Amino acid sequence: NAGVTQTPKFQVLKTGQSMTLQCAQDMNHEYMSWYRQDPGMGLRLIHYSVGAGITDQGEVPNGYNVSRSTTEDFPLRLLSAAPSQTSVYFCASSYRFPTGRTSYEQYFGPGTRLTVT
Amino acid sequence: GENVEQHPSTLSVQEGDSAVIKCTYSDSASNYFPWYKQELGKRPQLIIDIRSNVGEKKDQRIAVTLNKTAKHFSLHITETQPEDSAVYFCAASIMRGGADGLTFGKGTHLIIQP
Repeated sequence: NAGVTQTPKFQVLKTGQSMTLQCAQDMNHEYMSWYRQDPGMGLRLIHYSVGAGITDQGEVPNGYNVSRSTTEDFPLRLLSAAPSQTSVYFCASSYRFPTGRTSYEQYFGPGTRLTVT
Repeated sequence: GENVEQHPSTLSVQEGDSAVIKCTYSDSASNYFPWYKQELGKRPQLIIDIRSNVGEKKDQRIAVTLNKTAKHFSLHITETQPEDSAVYFCAASIMRGGADGLTFGKGTHLIIQP
């Protein structure tokens, strides 16, 4: 299993540009989420999904869109990038309903470092 | 919404000593409390978690305690080793019969002095 994969690893955007951060997992996890990590701020939840076709907002959703057309993929779209969106973005997945042998552990991808100038 | 406070922001201990990191949460409905370790430039990884029906959980040198009444939980690392140096994050969540988003603390940079 590749686990959770994210592309690209690094990206530089100009203010106003749009782009999509890709996230995929091959563990058949129902739950997927996006976090951003800023120095001294910990990780903050942007959007999450409890299954294909279902998404919801987290703590800091403004400026970001998501969709979940398949169990495996959960892309994050920046419609008009702003310098305040400079951050490291982590995608994570987990079982939504753990059984005795599984847990709520969030499996994180390697992250995408985004700089908006 | 949930608010998680984490202290201290930096903790320096001598190798072999114990380290304790403390977190408080605001929402009494929170029932799941994981701890993640993040090494420089890498992704966060779960090291231990606890649910609200348990007061303490141990895994070798790592333990977590939970006080639901006071709404705080702590990570204890004994016999610290150089490889324990990292940033540690606590988190809290309300598991309504399934996984939901985590609210993280701001992190503790643990430094193990040789």
